[in-house]
Amino acid sequence: EAGVAQSPRYKIIEKRQSVAFWCNPISGHATLYWYQQILGQGPKLLIQFQNNGVVDDSQLPKDRFSAERLKGVDSTLKIQPAKLEDSAVYLCASSPQTAPTTKLFFGSGTQLSVL
Amino acid sequence: GEDVEQSLFLSVREGDSSVINCTYTDSSSTYLYWYKQEPGAGLQLLTYIFSNMDMKQDQRLTVLLNKKDKHLSLRIADTQTGDSAIYFCAESNTGGFKTIFGAGTRLFVKA
Repeated sequence: EAGVAQSPRYKIIEKRQSVAFWCNPISGHATLYWYQQILGQGPKLLIQFQNNGVVDDSQLPKDRFSAERLKGVDSTLKIQPAKLEDSAVYLCASSPQTAPTTKLFFGSGTQLSVL
Repeated sequence: GEDVEQSLFLSVREGDSSVINCTYTDSSSTYLYWYKQEPGAGLQLLTYIFSNMDMKQDQRLTVLLNKKDKHLSLRIADTQTGDSAIYFCAESNTGGFKTIFGAGTRLFVKA
């Protein structure tokens, strides 16, 4: 079974530039998550989709971050404009809808450095 | 609000047992999880326990839950160098709409 795919693997940008990350979840997984993991911290949820609808985006800084999940499959996360404090690993995870628990399957992440 | 706390570092010798501890604050937590993260990789689910259980064993892994004290532990028997990684404790409540992670415990295994 293919895992969660993310690209790019690394990205270096200057502050005030924009950047986009892409995620392809495990086939059949209805729920998709974007997490931000700052160095030395645990992942923090940014946004959760159920199919192509947003379930929770309370922690998403909406003045600069946006995310979409077209057709309930792939998702993109965008930052515009980026700030220094956005330097982090952005993890995408997916979960099967019918699971009784929230077992998350993570991609390898995109490491973003904002200079 | 919900919070999950873990100690930051643990160092053990190869062949010894490792015990990683975690405390959480949300009394409505239904499921508690242990994830493993190796360098440059995403998190991988190791095991989980339902809140009405006290213990769960899975090969070298033993999870103990003290719901009264909101304390969770992960014991790794016969720790190997390949177990060196960061271990995250996490919790979610009924419906699992939100999973809260601790900051992670970095396990060092000395040969």
